[in-house]
Amino acid sequence: DGGITQSPKYLFRKEGQNVTLSCEQNLNHDAMYWYRQDPGQGLRLIYYSQIVNDFQKGDIAEGYSVSREKKESFPLTVTSAQKNPTAFYLCASSMSPSNTEAFFGQGTRLTVV
Amino acid sequence: AQSVTQPDIHITVSEGASLELRCNYSYGATPYLFWYVQSPGQGLQLLLKYFSGDTLVQGIKGFEAEFKRSQSSFNLRKPSVHWSDAAEYFCAVGAGGYQKVTFGTGTKLQVIP
Repeated sequence: DGGITQSPKYLFRKEGQNVTLSCEQNLNHDAMYWYRQDPGQGLRLIYYSQIVNDFQKGDIAEGYSVSREKKESFPLTVTSAQKNPTAFYLCASSMSPSNTEAFFGQGTRLTVV
Repeated sequence: AQSVTQPDIHITVSEGASLELRCNYSYGATPYLFWYVQSPGQGLQLLLKYFSGDTLVQGIKGFEAEFKRSQSSFNLRKPSVHWSDAAEYFCAVGAGGYQKVTFGTGTKLQVIP
């Protein structure tokens, strides 16, 4: 069954700690994306990757880092430099970098206390 | 710069009543337009999309949307709402790769018996 899997669904961390969110896809898609969602706001692009071993900053990359060592995996690290890390994080993928259609994972809710 | 406006933050309709969710966009050329639905704590599910051709687009779950270039609008409609339609709805616009898609701030739909 093809799709995008984000884990964990809920994550709690203490302030000052780095935390890594997992995103795995078995759709054989080239491009992957990370979004942040806050109440009353649309999705904001954090990072995206169009191909393995390459990634680009989105609109709100400060305080975040990513890697793309495998085609199917695009983990997001929320670092201690991110001032307001508590949010809902969504991962998505699309078939190719030029393809304007994407599929979304179920999200990870990160709470920093 | 492109933008999307969803003027209604929250809408309440009675079950069985018709629904129209508004979306206005700003884009330099003919855009790709999307409507997504999100249940609480879940990812985004694509309801329908417009790329070109017929300006009336049919989607899943009985939804449709009409692209009106002269009004820069892409309103979502459903003739008879079901209680299970209660969710948040996002309009999005963009082209040339999903990293260029901009999301609206969402409209939360409440359905009352």
